Amino acid sequence: QKEVEQNSGPLSVPEGAIASLNCTYSDRGSQSFFWYRQYSGKSPELIMFIYSNGDKEDGRFTAQLNKASQYVSLLIRDSQPSDSATYLCAAKGYTGRRALTFGSGTRLQVQP
Amino acid sequence: SAVISQKPSRDICQRGTSLTIQCQVDSQVTMMFWYRQQPGQSLTLIATANQGSEATYESGFVIDKFPISRPNLTFSTLTVSNMSPEDSSIYLCSVEEYGNTQYFGPGTRLTVL
Repeated sequence: QKEVEQNSGPLSVPEGAIASLNCTYSDRGSQSFFWYRQYSGKSPELIMFIYSNGDKEDGRFTAQLNKASQYVSLLIRDSQPSDSATYLCAAKGYTGRRALTFGSGTRLQVQP
Repeated sequence: SAVISQKPSRDICQRGTSLTIQCQVDSQVTMMFWYRQQPGQSLTLIATANQGSEATYESGFVIDKFPISRPNLTFSTLTVSNMSPEDSSIYLCSVEEYGNTQYFGPGTRLTVL
């Protein structure tokens, strides 16, 4: 069973702090990794993706990938109450399988 | 990114009936996917819908229960057949763009009584 694991949370951070969201995956053949944000009652919205080891920054968001440790993270700097949502980590697997495998999501609460 | 619409946005159905959900994209895409998100859960892939070929179903999902059509590169339908309350979920279509990223439609919230 190829799995993506996330802590369900909730993760609570004060406004302006850095929120750190973590994800591990079991399939070493996974090629790329995605972070989605999902507000209650809405569909997932792509934040960013990463496929190379290291960091990738986009505005207040930084994705980090460590393939040796099979670990992906998302950092949100200067967290805002509007960042309060569930964050879904997804992995794209081996060549030929284009669908994503999702983790269960981490609920983030940013306290004003 | 592509603009994706789904119809209906929500529905309440009776046990034993069927519902067809439509997914329309404003550009041609090769890969379309159907996911299910049960209450409080994450997304589970139902099937991959490729134009011109049969849909590929994930373990636990069968064509008789979830028939899918993909008549062209901008449209797909998912039918939920012979519904039971356990089928109450949000059904999401997604498309792959640029060979890697997936974007989701707004979803169809289905309640089965």
